Amino acid sequence: DTEVTQTPKHLVMGMTNKKSLKCEQHMGHRAMYWYKQKAKKPPELMFVYSYEKLSINESVPSRFSPECPNSSLLNLHLHALQPEDSALYLCASSQEEREMETQYFGPGTRLLVL
Amino acid sequence: AQSVTQLDSHVSVSEGTPVLLRCNYSSSYSPSLFWYVQHPNKGLQLLLKYTSAATLVKGINGFEAEFKKSETSFHLTKPSAHMSDAAEYFCVVSESLDSNSGYALNFGKGTSLLVTP
Repeated sequence: DTEVTQTPKHLVMGMTNKKSLKCEQHMGHRAMYWYKQKAKKPPELMFVYSYEKLSINESVPSRFSPECPNSSLLNLHLHALQPEDSALYLCASSQEEREMETQYFGPGTRLLVL
Repeated sequence: AQSVTQLDSHVSVSEGTPVLLRCNYSSSYSPSLFWYVQHPNKGLQLLLKYTSAATLVKGINGFEAEFKKSETSFHLTKPSAHMSDAAEYFCVVSESLDSNSGYALNFGKGTSLLVTP
């Protein structure tokens, strides 16, 4: 099973709302990732967790707050977002955080900020 | 730093004809290279990856890619296109961020493949 699941599939929120995106994998992977993808653009890395610890934060604004409660779950908490944050948010996982590791992607959450 | 350049932003082929999507890489050593596909409103799916075991890499759905060090290329090919191949294709290199922060994927800008009947 190489499935990464993400919920919700779609999310509409106002700039004052607080919401969370959820990602789950049961492949025993120890590295998990959040990416942001704008329309017609490649994904951009936001965060990397390795063994449940944040290892990479690509200068993401504090209105995005990641959380890794356990090795299978990855959350992205959203607060006071801006309309330009509207995008497809992709979660991925890999066995380890190593150069040759394949990252398996979820279907994404499409976020619209009004 | 490792990077990839996808030479075509759009490629159009007729169903049943060969597909060629071009990718050049820049790296000071033999990199780990990937091709991912993204169908509309979907996540990314791995087609194939190169990790120095063999220069000709076979992937899913009839796709393959050849690593050519002399040309710094990793072009994706398929002998006969299907309508279901219409999608966005990303050439990707695994990049070391720094000595303590591990690796991350560095994506090319993507090539949109259109398949006409």
